[in-house]
Amino acid sequence: EVQLVESGGGLVQPGESLRLSCAASGYTISNYWMTWVRQAPGKGLEWMATINQDASETYYVGSVRGRFTISRDNSKNSLYLHMSSLRVEDTALYYCGSGRSLGYWGQGIQVTVSS
Amino acid sequence: DIQMTQSPSAMSASVGDRVTITCRASQDISNYVAWFQQRPGKVPKRLISVSSTLQSGVPSRFSGSGSGTEFTLTISGLQPEDFATYYCLQHNSYPLTFGGGTRVEIK
Repeated sequence: EVQLVESGGGLVQPGESLRLSCAASGYTISNYWMTWVRQAPGKGLEWMATINQDASETYYVGSVRGRFTISRDNSKNSLYLHMSSLRVEDTALYYCGSGRSLGYWGQGIQVTVSS
Repeated sequence: DIQMTQSPSAMSASVGDRVTITCRASQDISNYVAWFQQRPGKVPKRLISVSSTLQSGVPSRFSGSGSGTEFTLTISGLQPEDFATYYCLQHNSYPLTFGGGTRVEIK
């Protein structure tokens, strides 16, 4: 059974940093593109970032480019999202997903940015 | 950036109804559209990929069609468990973009 499990979320102040992790089991991420998506409270889904199999290609939504970094460690079967200069508007439930069209999803991890 | 205009944003329907949701892309995206269902408080679930390929385990009452700029998700015979919010996603080019969502409510 494929499982993606996010961790690393929490409450931070504006301007601070946070690193999200996504650990995969029952699924070898080295064969696949991987993606982060977020959902602000009561809002729709927003694509954040995607990374290819060997991390040679990364793509970001404009609002986080330069602040967020997607990375992966295939030896640990894990995906990461390093978030810096966090803003109140980054408050959301963050999901990791498999592929560019998100065949599998994690359960989500809450990130709250508030002073 | 490619905009995905999803309509309607909300609708009321009855069990057994046929429901059609549309996503219109601001430019040609071939067939690179996926559809997702999100029940309240739950994780989104992919129903359809590359416009019309039904995911394993998804009931056959769900179907997808379209290419280019116009895409539809159809539910033939709405069931109680289908009351949810549905999203389209274009994955033809970056930035990837979701439609705004369609909330299907019980009439």
